[in-house]
Formats: sequence, C-alpha cells, structure tokens
Amino acid sequence: GAGVSQSPSNKVTEKGKDVELRCDPISGHTALYWYRQSLGQGLEFLIYFQGNSAPDKSGLPSDRFSAERTGGSVSTLTIQRTQQEDSAVYLCASSLAGVTEPQHFGDGTRLSIL
Amino acid sequence: RKEVEQDPGPFNVPEGATVAFNCTYSNSASQSFFWYRQDCRKEPKLLMSVYSSGNEDGRFTAQLNRASQYISLLIRDSKLSDSATYLCVVTHGYTGRRALTFGSGTRLQVQP
Repeated sequence: GAGVSQSPSNKVTEKGKDVELRCDPISGHTALYWYRQSLGQGLEFLIYFQGNSAPDKSGLPSDRFSAERTGGSVSTLTIQRTQQEDSAVYLCASSLAGVTEPQHFGDGTRLSIL
Repeated sequence: RKEVEQDPGPFNVPEGATVAFNCTYSNSASQSFFWYRQDCRKEPKLLMSVYSSGNEDGRFTAQLNRASQYISLLIRDSKLSDSATYLCVVTHGYTGRRALTFGSGTRLQVQP
C-alpha cells in the first residue's frame, strides 16, 4: 500500500536560496510531523499538524522555517535564505489520529546547502 | 535534565545474547510510549508500542515503569539483523506545547 511519500529525495542548493520540501501522508492520517536529522545525530522535532488544530511549531529552529498543510493532506516545509547548517535529512511522518498513534515515516529528503 | 534520555551506546553483544535498553523521561504526564528502530541512513520504523502492563512481540519485550519514569526494551537471542539504533518516543498529548519527544537513540551492534 502507499506509504508516506516525500519529494524530492535529494536537493542540492546554494546558500541563500529558498527550498520547498513536500510530504504526502498516508491517506486518512490526520496527524503529520516534520523532523530533521543531521548525520550521526538524533531526530529533531520541527512541527506537528493535527487535523484542523493550530500546529505545534515549538521545534522550528528559526523564522526562516515555515510549514503548511493544505486541505488536511499534503504538507510543504519551506526554508528561506538557506544556511549551511540547514543541511540534513528532513523526515516527514504521519499517524492515524495524533501523537498517541504510531508514526509512519517517509524516506526523507536529503538537503545539501553548498 | 533532558525530557527523554537514552544511553547512546554502542552496545556490542554476541549473537544469541540478551540485551536491554532503558529510556528515562522527565514529564510525569507523558501519555504514550513507543520504540522505533533506525538502520543506518534509513528512516525510523516502528518496532513496538509500550503498554502499561508490558508487552511482548517475539524476541522483543517492552515495559513501562511509571513510578520511576522509564521504559525498557529487552531483546532475547540477538540476531545480526538486530544491529541498529533504537529510539524511544514519549508523547505528552496535544496541549499547544511540545507534543512528543524522540530520544537520541541507543546503538546496538550484534557481532558474529
């Protein structure tokens, strides 16, 4: 069956450019999460969407990071004026009905800032 | 104190050994608990949920100790394929604050 889909798989861009990362969750999952993971490090929570509630943005590292989720399905994570320290794997996950349910992860987007 | 703490390891064990990891959490109101495994350069995958009464799935046993605020994962008869990083996840419910926290993981290396 269809899992969580992320695109692009890899993105290389120059410092200062804006990037958009896309996540298509499992159909019917109301909760969507964004994380990032630097090489050899743990997962860093970024943002969490649950249904129509206001998202939990407590993990966004700066105002250069934003995310939206349109129509309760697809989500886009935008990083403006990218910096080299933004290089990481960005992982998206979805769950059926919120944080008390197991999360299913996409393959991630590997972002490299030159 | 970190919200969720794990011993980073690595735990190096021979095939067939029994190994256990703990994960401590600081928020006594934490609601749900999970163990995930993550292979090198791959996404995390759910291993098992952790139930209040403890639960078992084949060679894996998970337990929750609310009084001491930790969860544990026991792996019996370790296989080479069990080599991975094991992440614990603690959720706090949606209150407008941080909804969940991942531990930084414990690395297991099973050796022949």
